[in-house]
Amino acid sequence: AQKVTQAQTEISVVEKEDVTLDCVYETRDTTYYLFWYKQPPSGELVFLIRRNSFDEQNEISGRYSWNFQKSTSSFNFTITASQVVDSAVYFCALSEAAGGGADGLTFGKGTHLIIQP
Amino acid sequence: DVKVTQSSRYLVKRTGEKVFLECVQDMDHENMFWYRQDPGLGLRLIYFSYDVKMKEKGDIPEGYSVSREKKERFSLILESASTNQTSMYLCASSITPGLGNSPLHFGNGTRLTVT
Repeated sequence: AQKVTQAQTEISVVEKEDVTLDCVYETRDTTYYLFWYKQPPSGELVFLIRRNSFDEQNEISGRYSWNFQKSTSSFNFTITASQVVDSAVYFCALSEAAGGGADGLTFGKGTHLIIQP
Repeated sequence: DVKVTQSSRYLVKRTGEKVFLECVQDMDHENMFWYRQDPGLGLRLIYFSYDVKMKEKGDIPEGYSVSREKKERFSLILESASTNQTSMYLCASSITPGLGNSPLHFGNGTRLTVT
């Protein structure tokens, strides 16, 4: 069975600090997809990134970067020079290829990130 | 942009009532999903549908049913609402991808309180 663990329930940092959100996953499939979502106080989940299991290249998008390591089954998310607008709950999620995505994602429990001014 | 619209942002219902949560997507997506979100538990899948009139149970289907009569609409039904169904309900949709599992697009959520 697939599982996603976000061990950090809540993180609080001061603005401009760098912060890393951890995600560890379990799956028996060799082909799978990993996702990160952001849920601001408004409530809507916003898709940030998708990664497939064959692509271990790190990705950077502005202040956001993602580190995917199959050896440790981790897909960590780093925000550089954090801003107050980054305050949100962040979810890591997993989808196994066998379902083709039609059976949804398995989510971690989320990390509540608080950026203090 | 994909738009997933949930008909109500807040709902208050009484125990035993039949409750309908409606969700509409405007991008001709094949797949639709209902999740509930609770503090400390994250998002849990209730039901999903990969085609009209098709439905599949997710991880926590007990006490719920769904209806998908049209491709764009996916309804979640609480046959007899109970207080333990007080939660945030999130609807999502996705395409059936050719290559790779596509991301889910979420609505704003319906916060249901059962008293």
